[in-house]
Amino acid sequence: DAMVIQNPRYQVTQFGKPVTLSCSQTLNHNVMYWYQQKSSQAPKLLFHYYDKDFNNEADTPDNFQSRRPNTSFCFLDIRSPGLGDAAMYLCATSRLEGAGEKLFFGSGTQLSVL
Amino acid sequence: AQSVAQPEDQVNVAEGNPLTVKCTYSVSGNPYLFWYVQYPNRGLQFLLKYITGDNLVKGSYGFEAEFNKSQTSFHLKKPSALVSDSALYFCAVRDFPSNFGNEKLTFGTGTRLTIIP
Repeated sequence: DAMVIQNPRYQVTQFGKPVTLSCSQTLNHNVMYWYQQKSSQAPKLLFHYYDKDFNNEADTPDNFQSRRPNTSFCFLDIRSPGLGDAAMYLCATSRLEGAGEKLFFGSGTQLSVL
Repeated sequence: AQSVAQPEDQVNVAEGNPLTVKCTYSVSGNPYLFWYVQYPNRGLQFLLKYITGDNLVKGSYGFEAEFNKSQTSFHLKKPSALVSDSALYFCAVRDFPSNFGNEKLTFGTGTRLTIIP
């Protein structure tokens, strides 16, 4: 089945140690998103790619970076994780950027920072 | 700025009874409204959406939602709850029109629905 796949399911890192989260999709969608979801909070958009065009949310910390080397893959890099970055990170895709587009989500990566 | 409110953190319903999960929104233009469901250890899954047309929208797994412009609400409903409906439900909105190509989806904080056998 076509889907959005996130690896790993659980990631543990140390305070200040760079970490990369991965997302791949077999839907051939143009748009890929990264959301941060903390416990009991709404998913918060960090940034998204439309094809190779990168769109950063104004309030996304500089500590968070992203790469999209091709249509299928997108990476979230956290350069120096802090305790406050512990969260579920959700990758999502949509065919286009239009207002009516629905998102397809991966299962998420739960990040712990020790 | 657009926003979504889900006033109930937790909703408990007996199996077989009708269920309602509440959502209200605030936008400056026209709302594009969505419901997503999150099962344990899974990503969010699309349930249904309202863009225009009939105020009653039908979606996956027997769910439906009613758009009410005067009350700025988009409540999720199901006539007869199943134990398998137990999950976390998110309402989301896009404000349209906004800057074309930058219609950010804003989520509510979620409502945990528990169906009691």
